[in-house]
Amino acid sequence: GEDVEQSLFLSVREGDSSVINCTYTDSSSTYLYWYKQEPGAGLQLLTYIFSNMDMKQDQRLTVLLNKKDKHLSLRIADTQTGDSAIYFCAESVLTTDSWGKLQFGAGTQVVVTP
Amino acid sequence: KAGVTQTPRYLIKTRGQQVTLSCSPISGHRSVSWYQQTPGQGLQFLFEYFSETQRNKGNFPGRFSGRQFSNSRSEMNVSTLELGDSALYLCASSLDGPPNTGELFFGEGSRLTVL
Repeated sequence: GEDVEQSLFLSVREGDSSVINCTYTDSSSTYLYWYKQEPGAGLQLLTYIFSNMDMKQDQRLTVLLNKKDKHLSLRIADTQTGDSAIYFCAESVLTTDSWGKLQFGAGTQVVVTP
Repeated sequence: KAGVTQTPRYLIKTRGQQVTLSCSPISGHRSVSWYQQTPGQGLQFLFEYFSETQRNKGNFPGRFSGRQFSNSRSEMNVSTLELGDSALYLCASSLDGPPNTGELFFGEGSRLTVL
């Protein structure tokens, strides 16, 4: 079966780097995603990486993918208080030409302290 | 460009009633997916529609159903509501399937409380 696992909590000081880790099990995953959810809000797509890449950088965000170990990480540089949220890792399960079915992790609660 | 719009944002129902939730995807997006988010089960896939056809379905009972209209707007319906159906229901839209990129954009959700 497919399982996406994340640590549940991360505390980081403002200005430091945050690293959120995720492991997945479906070797056929093609896209891996990071979403952010703030209280009372929906999911905001932060970034995604195609499985034939090992790194993607987008401003303060760096995604690293180790396909051999099925390990995905999201690094947030210069973490700000506005980065406090729940971060979800997700993998796409490609079925019948569809991207629409995502398998999500339980989410990592990131708390940024001054 | 407007994002994914879900209505209503909040609603309260009682057990046994039914509910219909609506989702308007981003203009030009033809795929609409629905997810249920609860504290206990996290985010779970309900179903996906593309060109008015259900393309994928998650492991939910038949009380959960959906449809998509020709303008790509989608509705989901839950009949005979149970307490456990209390959740945030999220809709996501995407441009299409492969070979387009797999970007899924979510709405703010409809928060359903069943009493």
